[in-house]
Amino acid sequence: GEDVEQSLFLSVREGDSSVINCTYTDSSSTYLYWYKQEPGAGLQLLTYIFSNMDMKQDQRLTVLLNKKDKHLSLRIADTQTGDSAIYFCAESIWSASKIIFGSGTRLSIRP
Amino acid sequence: KAGVTQTPRYLIKTRGQQVTLSCSPISGHRSVSWYQQTPGQGLQFLFEYFSETQRNKGNFPGRFSGRQFSNSRSEMNVSTLELGDSALYLCASSTGQGASANYGYTFGSGTRLTVV
Repeated sequence: GEDVEQSLFLSVREGDSSVINCTYTDSSSTYLYWYKQEPGAGLQLLTYIFSNMDMKQDQRLTVLLNKKDKHLSLRIADTQTGDSAIYFCAESIWSASKIIFGSGTRLSIRP
Repeated sequence: KAGVTQTPRYLIKTRGQQVTLSCSPISGHRSVSWYQQTPGQGLQFLFEYFSETQRNKGNFPGRFSGRQFSNSRSEMNVSTLELGDSALYLCASSTGQGASANYGYTFGSGTRLTVV
């Protein structure tokens, strides 16, 4: 079946690293994504990883994929107040031509 | 390059009425997908259109419908509105074909529908 799960909340201190975790169930996933949603806005694609990759780094963002455990994580280095948002993990399934989203993790930053 | 445009941004309707939301995709994008976002249910897939054809549909009642025009603009319609239809409706576009279709959607800012 198709299901993407993530924890609802994460609080980190400014300057620390944030790690947001996600699990998915469909082994036929082709791409996995991280989206960011700020208040009153739509979703912004942060990064994506192809299912045959283990890791992808893009500036402060590091995505790790454990395909065996169907586990995806997003690490944000040196977290800033501007990183406060809801982060959605998502998977695309080629045959279904749709993207399935997790429930989102609300990241809050402590001074 | 203009982004995905959704109109209107905000809408207030009464129970029993019907509503039409509009989405203009990025130029050259032929796929338009619609999602409903609510605090309780998160992001739920409504449907996807590609070249004027509905290619995929989520688990929503028949009161929710959509269409896509030859210029790839899409509309979704909700008839006989219920209080539970209050949500942020998001539209996303992509090329819809080939591997690049899987490089994620570009989302609009959404239409916030309130049913009273």
